[in-house]
Amino acid sequence: KQEVTQIPAALSVPEGENLVLNCSFTDSAIYNLQWFRQDPGKGLTSLLLIQSSQREQTSGRLNASLDKSSGRSTLYIAASQPGDSATYLCAGQGGSEKLVFGKGTKLTVNP
Amino acid sequence: NAGVTQTPKFRILKIGQSMTLQCTQDMNHNYMYWYRQDPGMGLKLIYYSVGAGITDKGEVPNGYNVSRSTTEDFPLRLELAAPSQTSVYFCASSYGTKYSPLHFGNGTRLTVT
Repeated sequence: KQEVTQIPAALSVPEGENLVLNCSFTDSAIYNLQWFRQDPGKGLTSLLLIQSSQREQTSGRLNASLDKSSGRSTLYIAASQPGDSATYLCAGQGGSEKLVFGKGTKLTVNP
Repeated sequence: NAGVTQTPKFRILKIGQSMTLQCTQDMNHNYMYWYRQDPGMGLKLIYYSVGAGITDKGEVPNGYNVSRSTTEDFPLRLELAAPSQTSVYFCASSYGTKYSPLHFGNGTRLTVT
């Protein structure tokens, strides 16, 4: 059974800092790894999807990597801004078409 | 483009009451999902559907029912509401390929008292 873990549960950084959010998964037989952003009281917004055959994906200041052999994915945020404050969730999708979510990392970027 | 629309946004139920959470999407997605999100517990899959007329149980289906009569709509039915069903419910959809991201609605916050 796939399990997805995100550490730390919360992270606070000053504005402008580069940061890395971590995601680990137990079953390396995943089809993709997805990163989402959730603002308070809102649904999840898809940020990046890394296919199993890929090593990384980039969108603006965001870069996500995937290492299936070690069961790890990272989300790198460059030059963080207060508007980046949100909860970030990762999810692994396997053969059952169902995503298994981590519990998320709550990020606070202080001005 | 509305995406995934959920109604209502908030609802308070008394124990034993029933209700239906509505979800509709306008992206012609085949796959639709219902998740519940509890504080500190992440998202748990309740039910999902891979197309009209097809539904399947997720991780936590007890106390819920779904139907999928059209591609667009995927309502979630709560029968005999219990305090344990107090949660935020999210509907999501995708094209269903391995490379298609999920699109989420804004959620329904349900309180059962």
